[in-house]
Amino acid sequence: KAGVTQTPRYLIKTRGQQVTLSCSPISGHRSVSWYQQTPGQGLQFLFEYFSETQRNKGNFPGRFSGRQFSNSRSEMNVSTLELGDSALYLCASSFDVRGYGYTFGSGTRLTVV
Amino acid sequence: AQSVTQLGSHVSVSEGALVLLRCNYSSSVPPYLFWYVQYPNQGLQLLLKYTTGATLVKGINGFEAEFKKSETSFHLTKPSAHMSDAAEYFCAVSATAGNKLTFGGGTRVLVKP
Repeated sequence: KAGVTQTPRYLIKTRGQQVTLSCSPISGHRSVSWYQQTPGQGLQFLFEYFSETQRNKGNFPGRFSGRQFSNSRSEMNVSTLELGDSALYLCASSFDVRGYGYTFGSGTRLTVV
Repeated sequence: AQSVTQLGSHVSVSEGALVLLRCNYSSSVPPYLFWYVQYPNQGLQLLLKYTTGATLVKGINGFEAEFKKSETSFHLTKPSAHMSDAAEYFCAVSATAGNKLTFGGGTRVLVKP
C-alpha cells in the first residue's frame, strides 16, 4: 500500500516568487492536513481538508492557501515568498476526521533565497 | 486550546538503558494523544496513540506510553535502548472533535554505544 507522497522533495525559490506543493494521500484517505516544520517554531498546523472542504486553518497569513481535489489529492500554495517561509512542509492523511492519527509523508524541503 | 510540553530537548542514553521521554499536555476537552518519531530527512512516523480505553498503550519498536489524566501526562518509555532509536520524538495532542494536531517541541534522542 503506497504511503503519502509529496512532490517535489526539495525546492529552491527566490523571495517574492510563489510555490505550489503537492500531496497524494494514501488510497481511501479523505482527510489531508499540512504542517510547517522549522527549527525555531517547530511543527505548526497550516490547514486541513476533508472531502474538498477546508475544515480547519492554522494561524498563518493569507499568503498560505490550499485546496483539495475530488480524488483527495491536495496542493498548498505560498505566494510572495519570504525568507522565513523556508521550512519542511509535511502533508498527512487519515481516513476520517476523528483524529485517530495521521500518516505523514516525507515532506517537501523549501528553501527561499 | 491545547498545548504540549516536552521536558528536555535532548536526551542521551546508553544502549540497553531505559528510554524515558516526558510529555505533559493541556486540553480543554478529553484529548487524543500521540507520539511520533522523525528520522533525519524523513516525515513523522506514528509510534503509538491514546484515544480511549486502556491507559497503557503499546506501540511499535518496543515503545509504550501511559496516559495519566490526573497528571496530564503521556510519557513515552522503552525498556532497552537500541542504536536505531536515535531520532527526534514528538508528542502531540488533538481534540476529540477534529484532526488538528498540536505538537510539543520535540526531544532528540542520542544513543551511546
